[in-house]
Amino acid sequence: GENVEQHPSTLSVQEGDSAVIKCTYSDSASNYFPWYKQELGKRPQLIIDIRSNVGEKKDQRIAVTLNKTAKHFSLHITETQPEDSAVYFCAAFINAGNMLTFGGGTRLMVKP
Amino acid sequence: KAGVTQTPRYLIKTRGQQVTLSCSPISGHRSVSWYQQTPGQGLQFLFEYFSETQRNKGNFPGRFSGRQFSNSRSEMNVSTLELGDSALYLCASSERQAGGEQYFGPGTRLTVT
Repeated sequence: GENVEQHPSTLSVQEGDSAVIKCTYSDSASNYFPWYKQELGKRPQLIIDIRSNVGEKKDQRIAVTLNKTAKHFSLHITETQPEDSAVYFCAAFINAGNMLTFGGGTRLMVKP
Repeated sequence: KAGVTQTPRYLIKTRGQQVTLSCSPISGHRSVSWYQQTPGQGLQFLFEYFSETQRNKGNFPGRFSGRQFSNSRSEMNVSTLELGDSALYLCASSERQAGGEQYFGPGTRLTVT
């Protein structure tokens, strides 16, 4: 089955700096890669996603890149703000399995 | 549109009991997936239903089961509860059968004593 590794598990940055979270996946058939943000005590929220036919996608301060050859994808947050502090999860979807497999999560702390 | 709702939000049960959790998807969404979230294991896939059919099941024992109704609402049941079943149970709904954006409900916090 699919296996998703996420690094780092914790990330502390100064407000205004950039943050990068990386994920690798094992199944080359995976074709959809969402990212979720989960604040303490709240539900995971979809913040951005990318499909396998696209290499990069941006939405304001957030961007995701995908390298299908290397089987890894990354989340980039620029100009971080304290409200970006949360746990971020990457995930990979494979049609054959019809399920999302999640990475272990990254706790991002943005210090004011 | 209203978001995904789950009931109850909190539940305390004792070992050996059974529990049923409910999930109402976003209107028009026909796919409902269930996940277990624990500090140690993260987010793990339980099963997914589309049009009242279970399409896939994760690596959980048979004590975990589910169903989906014709209005797309879904329930999951856990029988013979164990202490290790204590977790946040999240459901997510999707418009598409495969590879669609999944939107999560607030979860049901189950504590087994």
